[in-house]
Amino acid sequence: DAGITQSPRHKVTETGTPVTLRCHQTENHRYMYWYRQDPGHGLRLIHYSYGVKDTDKGEVSDGYSVSRSKTEDFLLTLESATSSQTSVYFCATIPGERATYTDTQYFGPGTRLTVL
Amino acid sequence: KNQVEQSPQSLIILEGKNCTLQCNYTVSPFSNLRWYKQDTGRGPVSLTIMTFSENTKSNGRYTATLDADTKQSSLHITASQLSDSASYICVVSYNTNAGKSTFGDGTTLTVKP
Repeated sequence: DAGITQSPRHKVTETGTPVTLRCHQTENHRYMYWYRQDPGHGLRLIHYSYGVKDTDKGEVSDGYSVSRSKTEDFLLTLESATSSQTSVYFCATIPGERATYTDTQYFGPGTRLTVL
Repeated sequence: KNQVEQSPQSLIILEGKNCTLQCNYTVSPFSNLRWYKQDTGRGPVSLTIMTFSENTKSNGRYTATLDADTKQSSLHITASQLSDSASYICVVSYNTNAGKSTFGDGTTLTVKP
């Protein structure tokens, strides 16, 4: 699992509240990703990071922001949670300091978020 | 629009039997194609990864094939085991700096004794 942990693993919150999910890796990986997984949609990329303070948007970034102030942590923030953001969120990393086109992403265990 | 379509959506087989899962894609420009296995309640785990020049890749009882001309891939599972029950996800990358991929919805495989 490339030493990836996610916290919290489960969270229930109310509409309109801010929520921050944390992805932590201990192996100095450069690339980190946040995905959401919903029935009928597969995994969809929210944001990704290619280094400290270097981030970019994925295909479903609206309503989400990220920060990466340290190599080991990639934070995903829902600025004002909505029911449509109820989902399972996965963090992933690519081992090594420089990814190549043959890269394999390793996924964390996931965070189940419910927005009431 | 980049798309990855998997079939069948679900499949039930008896333990010991073989099966083949299909993946068709329209992703461009193609970088690589990966197959993942996802157990219920867990994150996906990589099975194989293939670049444009590779047409087959094996990982134990799992063999993936790639036809870049027809934009099709298959995952063949030999001598299935109960532990093979999972969702199998096809993923195609289209960004060589490892930024972005398109994921299929997955095929849910159930292996029965």
